[in-house]
Amino acid sequence: AQSVTQPDIHITVSEGASLELRCNYSYGATPYLFWYVQSPGQGLQLLLKYFSGDTLVQGIKGFEAEFKRSQSSFNLRKPSVHWSDAAEYFCAVVLRGKLIFGQGTTLQVKP
Amino acid sequence: EPEVTQTPSHQVTQMGQEVILRCVPISNHLYFYWYRQILGQKVEFLVSFYNNEISEKSEIFDDQFSVERPDGSNFTLKIRSTKLEDSAMYFCASRKTQGRTDTQYFGPGTRLTVL
Repeated sequence: AQSVTQPDIHITVSEGASLELRCNYSYGATPYLFWYVQSPGQGLQLLLKYFSGDTLVQGIKGFEAEFKRSQSSFNLRKPSVHWSDAAEYFCAVVLRGKLIFGQGTTLQVKP
Repeated sequence: EPEVTQTPSHQVTQMGQEVILRCVPISNHLYFYWYRQILGQKVEFLVSFYNNEISEKSEIFDDQFSVERPDGSNFTLKIRSTKLEDSAMYFCASRKTQGRTDTQYFGPGTRLTVL
């Protein structure tokens, strides 16, 4: 069955440090992958998406993600984290129009 | 920028009561979704809706649930007789087309608390 796994439930980084959030997927065909962010009390905001082409995709707020088919991964990265990046991050794959989400990773940013 | 809106932001109800959660999708979107997120768990698909009928529903979406587009703007989720386990954040989403490359836009959610 199609699934998305985010191995890290909670990550803490210092402000200014780099960030990588992991996402692995299980999907038979070419996956269409998304990263969403949920700030406290807010809805889900799309950070970036991958459909085809260049495997490194750029998103909003300085985020990028790299699709690696050989590793079934779509990890999210940011070179320098800001305190406002503290939120919950969800990786998702689309299946017949609906989104299948991972468990989410909560990012805490230390000053 | 157009956005999906949801009301109320928080709903508290007694077990066994009916609740209606309301959503106003983006105006030129044609595909509508409800998802839910139980506290501490992943966001789960409930139902998709297109052309005034359900396209797909999950096993969570049993006979207690129904969806409706009563007019040209609102999209509602009704839970007929709420249970404690229905307590969750409910998200509405909309999409312009069914293309796999098209983005779903989410509303801010309604937090439902069943006592």
